[in-house]
Formats: sequence, structure tokens, C-alpha cells
Amino acid sequence: EADIYQTPRYLVIGTGKKITLECSQTMGHDKMYWYQQDPGMELHLIHYSYGVNSTEKGDLSSESTVSRIRTEHFPLTLESARPSHTSQYLCASSMGQMNTEAFFGQGTRLTVV
Amino acid sequence: GESVGLHLPTLSVQEGDNSIINCAYSNSASDYFIWYKQESGKGPQFIIDIRSNMDKRQGQRVTVLLNKTVKHLSLQIAATQPGDSAVYFCAENSGTASKLTFGTGTRLQVTL
Repeated sequence: EADIYQTPRYLVIGTGKKITLECSQTMGHDKMYWYQQDPGMELHLIHYSYGVNSTEKGDLSSESTVSRIRTEHFPLTLESARPSHTSQYLCASSMGQMNTEAFFGQGTRLTVV
Repeated sequence: GESVGLHLPTLSVQEGDNSIINCAYSNSASDYFIWYKQESGKGPQFIIDIRSNMDKRQGQRVTVLLNKTVKHLSLQIAATQPGDSAVYFCAENSGTASKLTFGTGTRLQVTL
């Protein structure tokens, strides 16, 4: 079992609200990622980080923002949630010095009403 | 841009038969490949990986084959079981500074 945790698992929130999805890992991994996944679809990378104070936008444009103040923590924030943000958000981490597999959290299923 | 894609969206296999899931990639610089299994409501789980200096790697009931000439990757599952029912993704990256790119995914359905 990978030591990467996401909270909350499920979130239903109204349009216009600000939300933060939490992701923490205890493996000391330098690389962390956020993916967005609609049901039955592929994973789209929306943000990634190579280490503290390093954040990059991914392949899929997203209105969310991320921060990496600590190695173990990589929160994702939506300033004003919209129904189009309804999706599953998956956080992952991997070692930074070599190509290894990424470990995934259980995901946060977000519904914006 | 570069992409990783799967040939079949859904594969139905009878319990006990072998399954083969295929993946095509287009980035010739890719040097590391991973197969993930994703069960409903969960995050993807690592199954097996392979580096570009290999063409075959075996795990428990699973084998990954890599054909760099045609940029093709496959996952073979021996004696498929109902617990193998899930969506399978291939992923690749090219170098330690790159990020993982995922394909569309194949849903494996195991029938009794």
C-alpha cells in the first residue's frame, strides 16, 4: 500500500465556492503530480512538481492552482468552483532521481452543483 | 504532441484464458514504461514496468513486451481471473526530468 493520501474522498460543493484538495505523501518523493480523470476516460496531467517551490502546468489546461511549500504536501486549489470542474482528481508521487513508478492516492471525486 | 494510446477500449475474456492488452506510443525518446491497473473508485495501481533496454519482463501472472521498432507495448495476463477486471493504462516517460503520460485505457471484462 502506497503512503500517499488524499482528502476528502468525496466533495459536493456549490458553484462559486473556493476549495482545496489535499494530497500528502510520506515517502520523501520529490516529484508530485495532479491528474484529472472523468469516468471511464484517460488521466490528464494538470500540474506537477519536481520539488519544493517547483510547480509546472501539465498537458491539460486547468483553472486550478497548486503549491509545494513542503516536500510531503501538494494541495490543489480552485478559487471559484464551476460545474465544469466536476471530475475525479488523482494525486501521485514518484522518486526524483530516477525513472520509477508513480504511486497514486485514492482520488477525490468532486461534484460542483 | 507526443501521445500514448491504446488500441482497444474494451476487452472481454473468459475466466482462465490469457489476456493481451496492447498499447502504442509515439515518442521514440521514451525510455520507461509502466502498466497500471485501476479498479472502480480507486487510484491506479502499479502492475509492472519495463525500461527501453529490455524487450520482455515477467511478473506474477503478468508479462510486459516492448517492441521499440514499432513503438508497441503489450501486457499479457495469464489465467485471467475475475479480480483482474479493471481498466488498464500504459504510461511512459522519457528521462528523469519528464512526466508520466498516460494512454486512453482498456477496460478488461472477465466473464465466467
